[in-house]
Amino acid sequence: EVQLVESGGGLVQPGRSLKLSCAASGFTFSNYYMAWVRQAPTKGLEWVASITNSGGSTYYRDSVKGRFTISRDNAKSTLYLQMDSLRSEDTATYYCTRGAYWGQGVMVTVSS
Amino acid sequence: DIQMTQSPSSMSVSLGDRVTITCRASQDIGNYLSWYQQKPEKSPKLMIYGATNLEDGVPSRFSGSRSGSDYSLTINSLESEDTGIYFCLQHKQYPWTFGGGTKLELK
Repeated sequence: EVQLVESGGGLVQPGRSLKLSCAASGFTFSNYYMAWVRQAPTKGLEWVASITNSGGSTYYRDSVKGRFTISRDNAKSTLYLQMDSLRSEDTATYYCTRGAYWGQGVMVTVSS
Repeated sequence: DIQMTQSPSSMSVSLGDRVTITCRASQDIGNYLSWYQQKPEKSPKLMIYGATNLEDGVPSRFSGSRSGSDYSLTINSLESEDTGIYFCLQHKQYPWTFGGGTKLELK
């Protein structure tokens, strides 16, 4: 059974950093592109970043470019999202996804 | 960026209704279009991929179609479990973009 389990969320002050992790199981992680998608409270879905199966290429939405870094460790079947210089507008539930499969989401709240 | 204009934003429907939700793409996205259903406090669930392909395990009353730059999700004979918010997603080009969502509620 495919499982994606996010962790690392929480309350953080503006300007600080947070690193999200997504532990994958039930499939060959290294074969798949992965992505992070977020959803602000009561809002729609917003793509954040994607990474190729090898990790050789990454893609970001403009509003997080230069602040967020997506990465992966195929040996550990884990996806990461390093979030620096956090802003209040980054407050959202962050989902790790393989397209057809999504994690349960992890809440990130940026507030002083 | 490719804009996905989704309509309607909400619908009040009855059991047994035929429901159609549409997303219009601002640029060519081919068939790189998926539909997701999201229930309150839950993760999105893939319903349709490649514009017209039914995801495994999704009831056959759901279908997807394309007419030019218009993509539609149709639910034939709505059941109570079909309520929720539906989103389209284009993944032809980065940044991937979602439609604004359609909230489906029972009358």
